[in-house]
Amino acid sequence: NAGVTQTPKFQVLKTGQSMTLQCAQDMNHEYMSWYRQDPGMGLRLIHYSVGAGITDQGEVPNGYNVSRSTTEDFPLRLLSAAPSQTSVYFCASSYSRAANSYEQYFGPGTRLTVT
Amino acid sequence: GQNIDQPTEMTATEGAIVQINCTYQTSGFNGLFWYQQHAGEAPTFLSYNVLDGLEEKGRFSSFLSRSKGYSYLLLKELQMKDSASYLCAVRPYSGAGSYQLTFGKGTKLSVIP
Repeated sequence: NAGVTQTPKFQVLKTGQSMTLQCAQDMNHEYMSWYRQDPGMGLRLIHYSVGAGITDQGEVPNGYNVSRSTTEDFPLRLLSAAPSQTSVYFCASSYSRAANSYEQYFGPGTRLTVT
Repeated sequence: GQNIDQPTEMTATEGAIVQINCTYQTSGFNGLFWYQQHAGEAPTFLSYNVLDGLEEKGRFSSFLSRSKGYSYLLLKELQMKDSASYLCAVRPYSGAGSYQLTFGKGTKLSVIP
């Protein structure tokens, strides 16, 4: 199993550009989420999904969109990048009914800089 | 609201024991996680406590007191590779929201020779 994969690893955007951060998992997890991590702020939840076709907002959703068309993929879209979105973005997945476990598995992260 | 407090930084000596505390005030409680995060890397799972008491896993142990809203992570026989940030996270909800975690800001542990 590859676990949770994220692309790209690094990205530089200009203010106003849009882009999509990709996330995929091969563990058949129902739950997937996106966090951003900023110095001194800890991990903050952006959006999450409890299954294909179901998404909801987390703590800091403004400026981001998500969709979940398959169990495996959960892309995060930045609609119009702003310098305040400079951060490290982590995708995570959790919960397999078979394992009855709520442990979250994190991807390697995407380091985004908006100039 | 959710509030999780941890010390910002700690320093300990190689071979020693260190205890990292976490206190929480959340709208509900359905379990507490500890994660380790090395600089520039993703968080990795260390432990999960649902019931009161001590869970031991090798050099790492985690304790929970639900009545006090308190947990600690105990690291024994410290090694240089234990230098990392340690994140405390709570599952506040049950039911449909039970997958969500609320994270503390993390404790940066530096292990010195």
